[in-house]
Amino acid sequence: EVVLTQSPLSLPVPLGQPASISCRSSQRLVSSNGATDFAWIHQRPGQPPRRLIYAVSHRDRGVPDRFSGTGSDSDFTLSITRVEAEDVGVYYCMQHSFWPHTFGQGTNLEIK
Amino acid sequence: EVQLVESGGDLVQPGGSLRLSCVGSGLTLSVFWMNWVRQVPGRGLEWVANINPDGSLKRCVDSVGGRCSVSRDNAGNSVSLYLDTLRVEDTAKYYCVAWSTTAYWGQGVLVTVSS
Repeated sequence: EVVLTQSPLSLPVPLGQPASISCRSSQRLVSSNGATDFAWIHQRPGQPPRRLIYAVSHRDRGVPDRFSGTGSDSDFTLSITRVEAEDVGVYYCMQHSFWPHTFGQGTNLEIK
Repeated sequence: EVQLVESGGDLVQPGGSLRLSCVGSGLTLSVFWMNWVRQVPGRGLEWVANINPDGSLKRCVDSVGGRCSVSRDNAGNSVSLYLDTLRVEDTAKYYCVAWSTTAYWGQGVLVTVSS
């Protein structure tokens, strides 16, 4: 099973400041078809999760451009250029290159 | 408006079984990989099962293994998850997730396994 390790697990950020979350995989996430099936998920308190980024760096429809995903192989990063109040919640990385699909432990972003 | 609506959550005794259903509106599920993801209250996410668009590939994670069956009815725009021999550790909110270059999550349905 692919293990995804996120850091930090807690991320206090002042409004308007940048933030980044790292996700490291226990193996390279390039699947047999050459794709890297890696995504970032955001869950606000009391809400269902929502995908922000798919295929490492593609923003989902409606996701503000202050969010960006980068990385390759086994090292990935989610960056927020300027944190806004609506960005609070837990961020999960996840991979679906290999079964079982797995999530990271989650990073709790709060406003400092 | 795009919606995935889950149903079937309940309080079940250990050893019991449950069928969860998910119906889509405003989207055609037949083009999506359909997935079930669960979340123990206050904890992280776990991918439980998925099924490919034509239903020919179905998978359940080892922690539910042979106790799990996933199916879909593309004509009915729905997908189901059947869990058997339920355990206390299956207690969670179960989300239906449509996954492609777009992704949609339902609001989730609570399954509580307790005597």
